[in-house]
Amino acid sequence: EAGVTQSPTHLIKTRGQQATLRCSPISGHTSVYWYQQALGLGLQFLLWYDEGEERNRGNFPPRFSGRQFPNYSSELNVNALELEDSALYLCASSPWDRGSYEQYFGPGTRLTVT
Amino acid sequence: AQSVAQPEDQVNVAEGNPLTVKCTYSVSGNPYLFWYVQYPNRGLQFLLKYITGDNLVKGSYGFEAEFNKSQTSFHLKKPSALVSDSALYFCAVRDGSGGYNKLIFGAGTRLAVHP
Repeated sequence: EAGVTQSPTHLIKTRGQQATLRCSPISGHTSVYWYQQALGLGLQFLLWYDEGEERNRGNFPPRFSGRQFPNYSSELNVNALELEDSALYLCASSPWDRGSYEQYFGPGTRLTVT
Repeated sequence: AQSVAQPEDQVNVAEGNPLTVKCTYSVSGNPYLFWYVQYPNRGLQFLLKYITGDNLVKGSYGFEAEFNKSQTSFHLKKPSALVSDSALYFCAVRDGSGGYNKLIFGAGTRLAVHP
């Protein structure tokens, strides 16, 4: 069974530009989560999508947004990039099956803002 | 608010010796606890979870964790460490409050297993 996939692996942008990151969940998983792993800040929850809807978001500004498509894949958009947006962005998926709750992570997209 | 603490930045162990990576938690309600491992330039791999039931949970790669409610701890253990176990380990707790369904992670503990 294929795991969570993310693209691209690396992304280099300049300040002020927009970045688009993509994620495909494990087959059968309807929930997708985005986390940011920044140096010195640890892993922080960004967004949760389920059944095409944004269910919740973490403490990030509105320039971090995304969507979930009918096939449950997801896209994270970061507008007006700032230097501190440089981080590893991890996508995870889960079946949203009560009693399960673990999330399965992809390899991440390394975003570098210069 | 839910939180987890990993009191050790790094743990050093000789190959073949038992290892313990510590985690304490603070939750309201029943704790849903997880351990993940991250190898360099990789995502997180799920190791094991505690939802309910036996306090000793067995997971992948020979790891296990002991849930202790009175000490609010969920320490990760392995009877005999391998050099290939060297990685970054994260303890996490599920936060389902306020409509959330997110994992809150500790700061991580770097495990170094020496030959």
